[in-house]
Amino acid sequence: NAGVTQTPKFRVLKTGQSMTLLCAQDMNHEYMYWYRQDPGMGLRLIHYSVGEGTTAKGEVPDGYNVSRLKKQNFLLGLESAAPSQTSVYFCASSYSRSGNTEAFFGQGTRLTVV
Amino acid sequence: GEDVEQSLFLSVREGDSSVINCTYTDSSSTYLYWYKQEPGAGLQLLTYIFSNMDMKQDQRLTVLLNKKDKHLSLRIADTQTGDSAIYFCAERVGSARQLTFGSGTQLTVLP
Repeated sequence: NAGVTQTPKFRVLKTGQSMTLLCAQDMNHEYMYWYRQDPGMGLRLIHYSVGEGTTAKGEVPDGYNVSRLKKQNFLLGLESAAPSQTSVYFCASSYSRSGNTEAFFGQGTRLTVV
Repeated sequence: GEDVEQSLFLSVREGDSSVINCTYTDSSSTYLYWYKQEPGAGLQLLTYIFSNMDMKQDQRLTVLLNKKDKHLSLRIADTQTGDSAIYFCAERVGSARQLTFGSGTQLTVLP
């Protein structure tokens, strides 16, 4: 089982460039999330989606856009990259059913903006 | 808003017990989680506890929850070098099951 797959794993961007990070899950999960991880700050939620065609802002959404055109994919876009967006980005997904629903994480994308 | 706090570092000797502490602020949290992150890897769920429980044991792991003080702890018995990693506590908040994470505790196991 692939679980949650993120593409690419590493990327270096110049300030002002744009890019899209792809997250794909094969578990038929309804909910998907994008987090960023910075040293000493844990993971912070950027955007999330509760289903195909829906997105919502998290704690730190500025400078990012997302799209969920297909249930299994959740894209994170940076229109004009800034050095402050240097971080490790994690995608996660989970079921929407009641009770404990474990979030499964991808392996992360390490992005450096120079 | 929600805030989850952890100490940043913990060192223990191999074979000793490790206790990682966490405090949270959102009293409406239903589930609290412990995740493990090894270098260069994603997050792996270790265990979780439902908010109406005080304790949960899972092999070498014991989770204690003090709802009055909003304090969560993870005890790892007989700590091994393979337990060296960053440990995150997280609370589930919001209708979309979003997680609010602590800053992570770097556990170093010394031989």
